[in-house]
Amino acid sequence: DAGVIQSPRHEVTEMGQEVTLRCKPISGHDYLFWYRQTMMRGLELLIYFNNNVPIDDSGMPEDRFSAKMPNASFSTLKIQPSEPRDSAVYFCASSFRLYTDTQYFGPGTRLTVL
Amino acid sequence: GIQVEQSPPDLILQEGANSTLRCNFSDSVNNLQWFHQNPWGQLINLFYIPSGTKQNGRLSATTVATERYSLLYISSSQTTDSGVYFCAVTSGSRLTFGEGTQLTVNP
Repeated sequence: DAGVIQSPRHEVTEMGQEVTLRCKPISGHDYLFWYRQTMMRGLELLIYFNNNVPIDDSGMPEDRFSAKMPNASFSTLKIQPSEPRDSAVYFCASSFRLYTDTQYFGPGTRLTVL
Repeated sequence: GIQVEQSPPDLILQEGANSTLRCNFSDSVNNLQWFHQNPWGQLINLFYIPSGTKQNGRLSATTVATERYSLLYISSSQTTDSGVYFCAVTSGSRLTFGEGTQLTVNP
């Protein structure tokens, strides 16, 4: 398996634009996680899915953020409209089970909102 | 919410030295994990360890849940161990990360 794949690796956009981040988890993993990392707030769990269903989205910062998982091999994290404070590295991770098995992380998407 | 404190914030070692990283948490937790982020930003999940001791090669971790702390031991450190080590705890359904320990291993 190629591991967790994220795209794009880098995204630069202007304030107010829509941003879509993409993630392909490892095949067979039932759990998918979206994290955000900033200097100010450190690492945060935004949302996680189990079998394509969002289970806990309490970490999603506000309504401008939305995440979907239309099938077992694809998830998106969308920000609309984007703001400069959304600039961060966004990681996707997947695992077989919740918090008992190793989570495998993608390389991250570095988002810059101007 | 639960507080997670890691110490030391920074640690510099010579290759071959041993080290202990500490994670204190303020409340009961369902589980605890250790992560390593290398200097290129890649995150690796090292251990899931809500209690007891686990070992993986030169790394081992011990969590004493009743006393609300966990320790990560790195033996015979190598330059590839450099990076930031994060502790993360789950209390209820929330996952909370510590601020990390920045480890630098010099050749």
